[in-house]
Amino acid sequence: EADIYQTPRYLVIGTGKKITLECSQTMGHDKMYWYQQDPGMELHLIHYSYGVNSTEKGDLSSESTVSRIRTEHFPLTLESARPSHTSQYLCASSDAAVSGIYNEQFFGPGTRLTVL
Amino acid sequence: AQSVAQPEDQVNVAEGNPLTVKCTYSVSGNPYLFWYVQYPNRGLQFLLKYITGDNLVKGSYGFEAEFNKSQTSFHLKKPSALVSDSALYFCAVRDMRAAGNKLTFGGGTRVLVKP
Repeated sequence: EADIYQTPRYLVIGTGKKITLECSQTMGHDKMYWYQQDPGMELHLIHYSYGVNSTEKGDLSSESTVSRIRTEHFPLTLESARPSHTSQYLCASSDAAVSGIYNEQFFGPGTRLTVL
Repeated sequence: AQSVAQPEDQVNVAEGNPLTVKCTYSVSGNPYLFWYVQYPNRGLQFLLKYITGDNLVKGSYGFEAEFNKSQTSFHLKKPSALVSDSALYFCAVRDMRAAGNKLTFGGGTRVLVKP
């Protein structure tokens, strides 16, 4: 079944640890995105990719990094986690319709990260 | 630049009553507009979108939204709310002129439907 997956769903980790949040989609979408959702609910785009070997910074500055080596995979890495990184991280993907109009973004279930 | 405003942090409505969640937008060109819903501990689920054409857009779960260009609004509506509609609702916009498919989301509106 075509879908978008995120692992882990929940992660509690100590300060200074390196972590990677996984995101995979089986929909064949070329565009993928990472959002950070703060406790006040608002969503902020932190990274996006238009295809393999393409990555861009989003609207909100983030200390995380991303890579896009395969179309279906878009992992996010924090080299040294801090309490300020505590948040929910949502991955999404989208594709262009035949008409060239971009379709809606599909979201994964999210990873709730807590850094102690 | 593109922006979205959801003026209400929370909307309370009795089950069976009409539900409206407000959204206004600002873009330099023509907008693509979207509504998403988020249930607790879940990702966002797509409800409906306006790209072009009819101003009244029908979506999932009985929701609809009306695009009003003069008022730059895209309010979400449901004629008869259910308790299960209680969730977070996000409006999003993309400027047609903007490269790629970057969406700008509103701050979200929490809907509470009481039995």
